[in-house]
Amino acid sequence: SQQGEEDPQALSIQEGENATMNCSYKTSINNLQWYRQNSGRGLVHLILIRSNEREKHSGRLRVTLDTSKKSSSLLITASRAADTASYFCATHTGANSKLTFGKGITLSVRP
Amino acid sequence: DGGITQSPKYLFRKEGQNVTLSCEQNLNHDAMYWYRQDPGQGLRLIYYSQIVNDFQKGDIAEGYSVSREKKESFPLTVTSAQKNPTAFYLCASSLGHGVQETQYFGPGTRLLVL
Repeated sequence: SQQGEEDPQALSIQEGENATMNCSYKTSINNLQWYRQNSGRGLVHLILIRSNEREKHSGRLRVTLDTSKKSSSLLITASRAADTASYFCATHTGANSKLTFGKGITLSVRP
Repeated sequence: DGGITQSPKYLFRKEGQNVTLSCEQNLNHDAMYWYRQDPGQGLRLIYYSQIVNDFQKGDIAEGYSVSREKKESFPLTVTSAQKNPTAFYLCASSLGHGVQETQYFGPGTRLLVL
């Protein structure tokens, strides 16, 4: 079952612009995480936001969480061509450590 | 050089054959996971293990088997019962001790059917 659903499925922007990606989920969460995947590679963790947090920053990344709307957004500011990748949200809901991943968003940053 | 390694990078399976994908970690993590990734499907959990000698089925375990005899190793066998095995397989690990954990991923193995 798919817990997280990202939106849009694909995004193409010019270098220097900001990229906003959204994730919606269905059930209560412990935390929500964003991961990045370069083509043909493994995923890399970007940022984790707990259910009692509303906003978190890490470098050029800003994540927000709205538990009342069951949604999160990932903002990448001043995008670079190297940000071109797929981005996944993942939710943690249970007592064990497993995550449920969405289908991902493909971001293309044009130089 | 700590991390997760997967081998081989590419694997070819013949009809009716079982194949085993290797996953090794030297991060001293208790928990390990296997995911399957198909185009447009995101990651789907096959099996996971919270501790040595214990593992649980994920969402799509049919046609797969695993073992966890050592903390650092979590091999995945794709059996002949898996009728559509062509996919990108990702192994991951995490500390396994709490609910605010992140997962560390290997580089993946691409399985192709001959």
